Amino acid sequence: DAGVIQSPRHEVTEMGQEVTLRCKPISGHNSLFWYRQTMMRGLELLIYFNNNVPIDDSGMPEDRFSAKMPNASFSTLKIQPSEPRDSAVYFCASSYLRRGGWTDTQYFGPGTRLTVL
Amino acid sequence: GNSVTQMEGPVTLSEEAFLTINCTYTATGYPSLFWYVQYPGEGLQLLLKATKADDKGSNKGFEATYRKETTSFHLEKGSVQVSDSAVYFCALGDTGANSKLTFGKGITLSVRP
Repeated sequence: DAGVIQSPRHEVTEMGQEVTLRCKPISGHNSLFWYRQTMMRGLELLIYFNNNVPIDDSGMPEDRFSAKMPNASFSTLKIQPSEPRDSAVYFCASSYLRRGGWTDTQYFGPGTRLTVL
Repeated sequence: GNSVTQMEGPVTLSEEAFLTINCTYTATGYPSLFWYVQYPGEGLQLLLKATKADDKGSNKGFEATYRKETTSFHLEKGSVQVSDSAVYFCALGDTGANSKLTFGKGITLSVRP
C-alpha cells in the first residue's frame, strides 16, 4: 500500500491567498484526521471524519479553515484567506474504525509544510 | 475527559544508554495505548501499541506495558542508538464510536555517539 498521500509537500504563499491541502487516505480506512503541528503549540487535531462525515471540528481555529471529504478516498483542508500564523506542518492521518469497537492505529502522511509570508 | 501526560524533555543520552520515557493517562473505560515516533522531517509512525491491561507492546527494541493500576504506559529501551533520535509521542485511543487519539506533548530524544 502507498500509505497516506498528501499534496503538496511544501507550499509557500502570501498572506491573503487561498491554500488547499489534499489528502488521500489508505484504501479501506473509514476515519480521516487533519492535524497541525507547530513548535509553539505542538500537535493539534483540527477535524476528523468517520465514513466521510465530519464528527468533530472543534479544533478548527476559525472560519478561515474548512475541510471536506467528498468521498472515501479524498479530503481537502482549505484556508481562506491565509495568514502568517497559519504557517505550520499539516498532517493527514487515516485509520479503520471497527463497528462498536475501539480506536485502531492511525497512519500519518508525510505532511505539508505551509509557509505564509 | 481523556488526557495524556508525558515527562518533560528534551532528553539527551549517550549511545547504548538505557531509556525510559514516562507516560501516564486519564481516561474513562478501557482505552488503547500507543507510542508514536517522529523522525526529523517526517510524519508520525506507530512504534508500538497495547489494547488491554497488562499487554506489552514491543518493536525495534522498544517496549511498553499497559499498567491499569498505575494508569501508565512507560516506554523503555535497553540500549539506544543514534538512529533513535526522534520525537516520541504517547497517545490514548477511545473505545466505542469515537475514533480519535489523544496525544501527549511529545518528547525529543537526542542520542550522542
